[in-house]
Amino acid sequence: SQQGEEDPQALSIQEGENATMNCSYKTSINNLQWYRQNSGRGLVHLILIRSNEREKHSGRLRVTLDTSKKSSSLLITASRAADTASYFCATTNDYKLSFGAGTTVTVRA
Amino acid sequence: EPEVTQTPSHQVTQMGQEVILRCVPISNHLYFYWYRQILGQKVEFLVSFYNNEISEKSEIFDDQFSVERPDGSNFTLKIRSTKLEDSAMYFCASSGTPGSTDTQYFGPGTRLTVL
Repeated sequence: SQQGEEDPQALSIQEGENATMNCSYKTSINNLQWYRQNSGRGLVHLILIRSNEREKHSGRLRVTLDTSKKSSSLLITASRAADTASYFCATTNDYKLSFGAGTTVTVRA
Repeated sequence: EPEVTQTPSHQVTQMGQEVILRCVPISNHLYFYWYRQILGQKVEFLVSFYNNEISEKSEIFDDQFSVERPDGSNFTLKIRSTKLEDSAMYFCASSGTPGSTDTQYFGPGTRLTVL
């Protein structure tokens, strides 16, 4: 399986702090995507990084990809209470996304 | 901003009954997908669909499942004879180009409860 696996499983931080979560996967990929899911809701796409890219930014989000280590990280800077959610990495090969179990982030006010 | 929509938001059914979950993908997208998430578990791929045929399906997508694009806008998932273990959140997604090179946009999901 090429599923991503996130680490840590849960993260609790103070508002304003940065949150970092990691994703590891097993096989070669075409790209890797990060999604956010608020409790019981749909998946919101955050960022896509292609296999030939090493770093990508989108607003307060920074994603890195190390294909040699088969790992990616998502950094959320200056966290807000609204960032409280579960974050999933998903690897792509051909048509399907393979999701990890996610990191649950709680941002305390 | 265009979005994927799904109906109903919540479906309750009796075991053995047939259900149809509906999705309206983003209008100019060509590739469509169904995923499911059992409570507390990972999001799992079910099936991808392009040009009126299945592109890829997972082991979960057995003969009780079928997909259809009955018209130019809807994309449906039918579960013929529901089982208790089919209870899950079902997500529809769409993308413009093959999933390996483009973002898949997800709908809000249909929560299916099988009693």
